Amino acid sequence: DIQMTQSPSSLSASVGDRVTITCQASQDISNYLNWYQQKPGKAPKLLIYDASNLETGVPSRFSGSGSGTDFTFTISSLQPEDIATYYCQQYDNLPTWTFGQGTKVEIK
Amino acid sequence: QVQLVQSGAEVKKPGASVKVSCKVSGYTLTELSMHWVRQAPGKGLEWMGGFDPEDGETIYAQKFQGRVTMTEDTSTDTAYMELSSLRSEDTAVYYCATDGIASFDYWGQGTLVTVSS
Repeated sequence: DIQMTQSPSSLSASVGDRVTITCQASQDISNYLNWYQQKPGKAPKLLIYDASNLETGVPSRFSGSGSGTDFTFTISSLQPEDIATYYCQQYDNLPTWTFGQGTKVEIK
Repeated sequence: QVQLVQSGAEVKKPGASVKVSCKVSGYTLTELSMHWVRQAPGKGLEWMGGFDPEDGETIYAQKFQGRVTMTEDTSTDTAYMELSSLRSEDTAVYYCATDGIASFDYWGQGTLVTVSS
């Protein structure tokens, strides 16, 4: 099974800061990676698909990059409404999916 | 626009079964590939299984095989997830979600299942 390792598990940053989250796959998954945002008490929301494509309607301060085993998710300028937990998800071996452990983003 | 509305919270005793429903609107269930994801309190997301449109079968995560059954009623556009032999570790919020193109683009609001004696 493909394992996904996200880091850090949590972070605290100031409004306006650049925030970076990494996700590492246990084997090469090409660009078969999605990123989700989950706010407290809510269902997850798709932000990025195929590692770097922004879902329609998602603000451009969110971006993703990477391929193979190493991926990065970036918030270019952290906003108060971005407080959430972010998850990566691989789909290299469809029709099964694996999520990362999540990264909780808080405001300093 | 797809909308997924799930059934309400459940409290079950260990060893019992639970069946959670997910009602689709905006599309028909036959146009969608439905999956189920759960989240234990304070924990991450865990994919449980879902419909594979490639072969028309439902596939389950190995962890849940033998204990979970996912079904669909196309006459009412409702999907169901039944989990049996419940234990305390199954206490979680259970979500239905649709697979767009290799991503879960629409989600239900979640159903809290509490397993407690």
